[in-house]
Amino acid sequence: AQSVTQLGSHVSVSEGALVLLRCNYSSSVPPYLFWYVQYPNQGLQLLLKYTSAATLVKGINGFEAEFKKSETSFHLTKPSAHMSDAAEYFCAVYTGTASKLTFGTGTRLQVTL
Amino acid sequence: DTAVSQTPKYLVTQMGNDKSIKCEQNLGHDTMYWYKQDSKKFLKIMFSYNNKELIINETVPNRFSPKSPDKAHLNLHINSLELGDSAVYFCASSQAYLSTDTQYFGPGTRLTVL
Repeated sequence: AQSVTQLGSHVSVSEGALVLLRCNYSSSVPPYLFWYVQYPNQGLQLLLKYTSAATLVKGINGFEAEFKKSETSFHLTKPSAHMSDAAEYFCAVYTGTASKLTFGTGTRLQVTL
Repeated sequence: DTAVSQTPKYLVTQMGNDKSIKCEQNLGHDTMYWYKQDSKKFLKIMFSYNNKELIINETVPNRFSPKSPDKAHLNLHINSLELGDSAVYFCASSQAYLSTDTQYFGPGTRLTVL
């Protein structure tokens, strides 16, 4: 069965600091991986996705993620945090065998001055 | 124009009542979904429809009945509401029923059952 594990339900960084949100996946077949962001009281919005092309994926708002098969990871990074990045971030995995998106439990990013 | 819209945004009701949530997408997509997000923010798929046909039914109680009158609409009807149904329900859509397609989410409907 496919699944994703997000390490850290809550991450706090200072404005201007590096953002690193961790996601590890489990899948018996090559996965497709996604990061979604949910701002307060809103729906989810796609940040970026890995679809077996380039392993380093660039997304919106300066975020990027690197697919590392050897580590079964797809961590999300941003060089410099901004106050507007404060939100809930979800990693998700899709495989053809399950034919559905399976989400992680989410990581709440807090950005402080 | 809102891509995926849901009504109502908030729904407060008593146990045992029946309620509906409506969803519409103006993106021309073929596939639509219902997700449930619980109080701990855990998001889980409930149903997916492709070209008005049910594709996924994720062990959801049969009190929940989705209906897709056309490709642009996917409504969710809930009978005999229970306390445990309190959650935020999200509708989403994607171009087609393909693994790499981006899913576009609506703003959510917060259901509170008293």
